[in-house]
Amino acid sequence: AQTVTQSQPEMSVQEAETVTLSCTYDTSENNYYLFWYKQPPSRQMILVIRQEAYKQQNATENRFSVNFQKAAKSFSLKISDSQLGDTAMYFCASPQRFTYKLTFGKGTLLTVNP
Amino acid sequence: DAGITQSPRHKVTETGTPVTLRCHQTENHRYMYWYRQDPGHGLRLIHYSYGVKDTDKGEVSDGYSVSRSKTEDFLLTLESATSSQTSVYFCAISESGLLSNQPQHFGDGTRLSIL
Repeated sequence: AQTVTQSQPEMSVQEAETVTLSCTYDTSENNYYLFWYKQPPSRQMILVIRQEAYKQQNATENRFSVNFQKAAKSFSLKISDSQLGDTAMYFCASPQRFTYKLTFGKGTLLTVNP
Repeated sequence: DAGITQSPRHKVTETGTPVTLRCHQTENHRYMYWYRQDPGHGLRLIHYSYGVKDTDKGEVSDGYSVSRSKTEDFLLTLESATSSQTSVYFCAISESGLLSNQPQHFGDGTRLSIL
């Protein structure tokens, strides 16, 4: 079965510091996209960043970037200059083969401390 | 923000009663999804639709049915609700299949409590 593993159930970081959230997946697709979603206490699911698997370059969106290791099937999210508003649950997601479905990890609860 | 409306936002009901949750989109996207979110499980796919009247099961479909009679509406029905179906339910939409760069966009969720 398709799995997405987020090995850190909870993490904390001081404001302005950098934190990395890990994610591994096992899709057998060759060309695909990976996603990180953020869920703040408001419960909304917000897309943070996406990575195209056939691109060597790691995706970056402002303070958010990924470290994508295709051979290792690793897709970690780095948050630089952490802000209090980054406090949220973060979910990694990868596609299931030959379907329209995403598989989500169980999430990492990130707390940014002042 | 993507135009996705879930209704109701909150519902409390009793075991054995039927429940229908509605997802309405104004984006004309082809794909629609229903997930449930439970502590320790992340989001799990219940059912999804890849077009009008075209639906398929996800990983936790037992006890749920869906219908999509028009592009904008995707209904999730619990025929006879059980306490194990207490959860937060999310609807999502996407413009195209997952081998494109189009992500899924989510509604604000429905908190369902079954007593």
